[in-house]
Amino acid sequence: DSGVTQTPKHLITATGQRVTLRCSPRSGDLSVYWYQQSLDQGLQFLIHYYNGEERAKGNILERFSAQQFPDLHSELNLSSLELGDSALYFCASSALGGVGTDTQYFGPGTRLTVL
Amino acid sequence: GIQVEQSPPDLILQEGANSTLRCNFSDSVNNLQWFHQNPWGQLINLFYIPSGTKQNGRLSATTVATERYSLLYISSSQTTDSGVYFCAVRTNQAGTALIFGKGTTLSVSS
Repeated sequence: DSGVTQTPKHLITATGQRVTLRCSPRSGDLSVYWYQQSLDQGLQFLIHYYNGEERAKGNILERFSAQQFPDLHSELNLSSLELGDSALYFCASSALGGVGTDTQYFGPGTRLTVL
Repeated sequence: GIQVEQSPPDLILQEGANSTLRCNFSDSVNNLQWFHQNPWGQLINLFYIPSGTKQNGRLSATTVATERYSLLYISSSQTTDSGVYFCAVRTNQAGTALIFGKGTTLSVSS
């Protein structure tokens, strides 16, 4: 158990809908990262928040947005869902700002299925 | 951007065998992590190893940063070692993101 929690574990929804994925980092960690794992694209970085502020952005679609709250949990919002958004979404956390010796620890993931 | 290549893509072993997985990367890295994704999809940290050698039980890893590669050794394989092994790196250019290779799928049979 990495100490990173994600809810829900599974999510099944329809095209055009909006969903929210939630992540709680390890105790004391200030950084939260979101990654998407799909069969065709592999594991790809989406976005990184550090202590409530966006720190880095990767291949995140405009239909997707995220935020990190004062208690350091994070939410990833996916809207106008398409079939191709079906994937495993991971949250990771690290103690610092993602530089130097900072190590990322991954949660169990949320499996999203868009029908 | 940085390229991360893992080999072999697939590996089939009998229980008790040893194996070596390789990760080549195309640029200098300041972080390298090895992960095991089990059949249930969980990504488990194995090593943080931007350079040098580390061992944890039957697993060990070596990173030669100057030659831009890392090796993961699995000795006396067990069926529970099955899954996908990922190498992920971070570079100054890529910022704080981990860049993942495509993984090596290991199947260990009894």
